[in-house]
Order: sequence, then structure tokens, then C-alpha cells
Amino acid sequence: RKEVEQDPGPFNVPEGATVAFNCTYSNSASQSFFWYRQDCRKEPKLLMSVYSSGNEDGRFTAQLNRASQYISLLIRDSKLSDSATYLCVVNPLTDSWGKLQFGAGTQVVVTP
Amino acid sequence: DGGITQSPKYLFRKEGQNVTLSCEQNLNHDAMYWYRQDPGQGLRLIYYSQIVNDFQKGDIAEGYSVSREKKESFPLTVTSAQKNPTAFYLCASSIGASGGPAKNIQYFGAGTRLSVL
Repeated sequence: RKEVEQDPGPFNVPEGATVAFNCTYSNSASQSFFWYRQDCRKEPKLLMSVYSSGNEDGRFTAQLNRASQYISLLIRDSKLSDSATYLCVVNPLTDSWGKLQFGAGTQVVVTP
Repeated sequence: DGGITQSPKYLFRKEGQNVTLSCEQNLNHDAMYWYRQDPGQGLRLIYYSQIVNDFQKGDIAEGYSVSREKKESFPLTVTSAQKNPTAFYLCASSIGASGGPAKNIQYFGAGTRLSVL
């Protein structure tokens, strides 16, 4: 089993619609979680951090479910510019810090 | 502007050749990392350094070497022993242990695409 698993997609979303997708992680001791956005052939960029039950930033909402060991990302009122691959990143705390675990990403395609 | 600079953007390696990828940061971060990304896969950690003059192997260190002589710089050498070097290489940095809750947030350079001739 992979340490961090994501549905690769693609999730095809009409502009203005809502899309949500999950990420599951294997280490129940994981404390902090991140969503990064990666555009095609570019570097990942931090979208949001999740330290407790969830986080909201504008149209983006992340929810953490520790009992089931997954985090979700919801995008409301999707824009064409939201088309990207979204990487789920977990701090497993096997070391005190630094070594993050990356999912392979979920591709989102927003269509006009 | 503070950030992480990787160079070159594209690099071609001949068989049997060692090549070095540059990574420089002016964020005053203690920790630096090298990742490899292959199509359809997550980032895989090659080497990381939590402090100057110290570094540790990541999950796929074979065929790679690094140095950390200055806080700002963490170059990666892809040696001839790495038989499948074609990939997108990403350098990242984070504040480090003194960074509080943000210590684990990693910021990435624009990457280097390495191909084999």
C-alpha cells in the first residue's frame, strides 16, 4: 500500500461547478497535511496547510478525517485557471520534521 | 525577490558523464531537499540536508551525490552510476526546526529537466 494515495483523475469539471476529491494516508500518527498545486511542467506550489480538522481559503476547503485517515479538497465555483494537478502531501513524523510524503496527484480539468 | 533558483532549466547528459544541477536559495532556510519526479508518479526524495555540512540519503539516493558547503546552496550531481536519469528534478527548501508550525512547508524551485542523449 502506498503511503499517500490519490485518485489520478482526470476530474472534468464544468466552469462554475464544484469538485471534490480525497487523499488517503497510511500513517495514523501524521500530524500535518498540505495541498500543493502543480501546473503542467511546473513546480508544485503550496495551496493550503491543514493542521487540525480543516482549513478554508476562498473557494478552496480542505477537510481532515483522522478516524478514516483521509483529507479532502473541495473547489467551489471552479475557474478555468483551476485546471492543474493537486498534490496531497503528508508529514508522517517518522522523523521530527522535513521528510514529507507526496501523493502522485489528482488532475483537475475545468472546461468552459 | 526571495526564492529558489535552479539551473539549468534543461540539461542533456551523455552516457558515462556526470552532470551537476544547481540549487540556490535566498530565503535563509536551514533545510534543503532534492526530489525526482517521473510522469504519473509522486515526488521521490533523493537527498536532504537539515543544516550546513550535513546531509542524509533519501529514498532513491543511489547514483546521486550532494554537498552542502553553504547554507544557500545544495548542488546535486547525477553520476554515471544512475542508469535512468531522465526525469524532472526539483529542489526545495524549508525553514527548518525553528520554524514552528510552518517548519514543514517546502518551497520549490522551477526544476531542471534532465534527458539522456
